[in-house]
Amino acid sequence: GENVEQHPSTLSVQEGDSAVIKCTYSDSASNYFPWYKQELGKRPQLIIDIRSNVGEKKDQRIAVTLNKTAKHFSLHITETQPEDSAVYFCAASIGDKLIFGTGTRLQVFP
Amino acid sequence: NAGVMQNPRHLVRRRGQEARLRCSPVKGHSHVYWYRQLPEEGLKFMVYLQKENIIDESGMPKERFSAEFPKEGPSILRIQQVVRGDSAAYFCASSPRDSGGYEQYFGPGTRLTVT
Repeated sequence: GENVEQHPSTLSVQEGDSAVIKCTYSDSASNYFPWYKQELGKRPQLIIDIRSNVGEKKDQRIAVTLNKTAKHFSLHITETQPEDSAVYFCAASIGDKLIFGTGTRLQVFP
Repeated sequence: NAGVMQNPRHLVRRRGQEARLRCSPVKGHSHVYWYRQLPEEGLKFMVYLQKENIIDESGMPKERFSAEFPKEGPSILRIQQVVRGDSAAYFCASSPRDSGGYEQYFGPGTRLTVT
């Protein structure tokens, strides 16, 4: 079935440390993998995405990696800052829609 | 993404009433998606629409829920005879699919409370 698993559900790091969030997907036809950041009471915001023809993509402190064979993709945030604290969602395309993971609550302590 | 507009931002309905949620996509976007988010949970796909067409409604409950995206005007998500379990945040997203991607940009959401 259509499924995206996301781990961990909560993640606490010290400011300046790195944070890694991992997702797995079930549909081998998925070819687009976005990551969204959602602050409390706000809309989900697209922060980075990757397509299946690329193995890694980086944007300043944020990077995403994709392993198509294993159906894994990960979000890496380096030099974390308190303003990175939010819930992060991964998603995978299935046909014309996105299936979202269950979210990771990231807390960055100063 | 600031261009996706939703209204109302908050909606309170009593059980049995109807709820109408509106979504105006980013100018030039012709693809609209609706999602439901329960407290402390992820986003669940409900329906994908293009102008005047429902493309995929596999996430919509079979009863009481309907959606439309007319040629003119916003997309509407309609919930008839609301029940307490309908209380959630409803987000719409729009996408410039003709760019070749799936990039979806979300609106601020409508928080529906059923009393």
